[in-house]
Amino acid sequence: QVQLVQSGSELKKPGASVKVSCKASGYGFSTYAMSWVRQAPGQGLEWMGWINTNTGNPSYAQDFTGRFVLSLDTSVSTAYLQISNLKAEDTAVYYCARSYQPRGWADYWGQGTLVTVSS
Amino acid sequence: QSALTQPPSASGSPGQSVTISCTGTSRDVGAYNYVSWYQQHPGKAPKLMIYEVTKRPSGVPDRFSGSKSGNTASLTVSGLQAEDEGDYYCCSRAGNNNWVFGGGTKVTVL
Repeated sequence: QVQLVQSGSELKKPGASVKVSCKASGYGFSTYAMSWVRQAPGQGLEWMGWINTNTGNPSYAQDFTGRFVLSLDTSVSTAYLQISNLKAEDTAVYYCARSYQPRGWADYWGQGTLVTVSS
Repeated sequence: QSALTQPPSASGSPGQSVTISCTGTSRDVGAYNYVSWYQQHPGKAPKLMIYEVTKRPSGVPDRFSGSKSGNTASLTVSGLQAEDEGDYYCCSRAGNNNWVFGGGTKVTVL
């Protein structure tokens, strides 16, 4: 069965970096795109961007350029989200989701990774 | 890209129907038949309920249905059940292969 398993919660200080992983199983990793979605505490869903798992080419939403990097390791069917120069407002749950591009929907989601940024 | 507009809350008694609207623009909802809806329970990941405006993934009850008219999409839940309580988000493809979510609607089963 299709599964997306994300890495565990992280507690980081402002200015640090974090790398969240999303390991896929149960399907051909390069057959579907991978999107990332942020959910701040008590807030709604925000689409961050997606990565083409064939080419490794990422595409970012306007609010997620600069400090956010999407990458892959296809040898282990894993997608990554790296956030640098962390700020308190980056505190959120981050989800990966198997996606249909360019149609714009996701059928399987990871369990979410809570990233807390606090001094 | 501005978020799609959803009512913050909706409610109904068991067995009744509730409809949630999702209003965008001619650059997103109105431009593509790629509106999806997600259900989220507290502390859980979102679950796909409707994709491409009207299609239901396998396993989603046919009590859930979607529609679209112009720049507004809608999700209707018929025959409300206690387990339908949760947050619902619409999402649309926008330009440049981007997505945009709605702000979410909290559905309460009275």
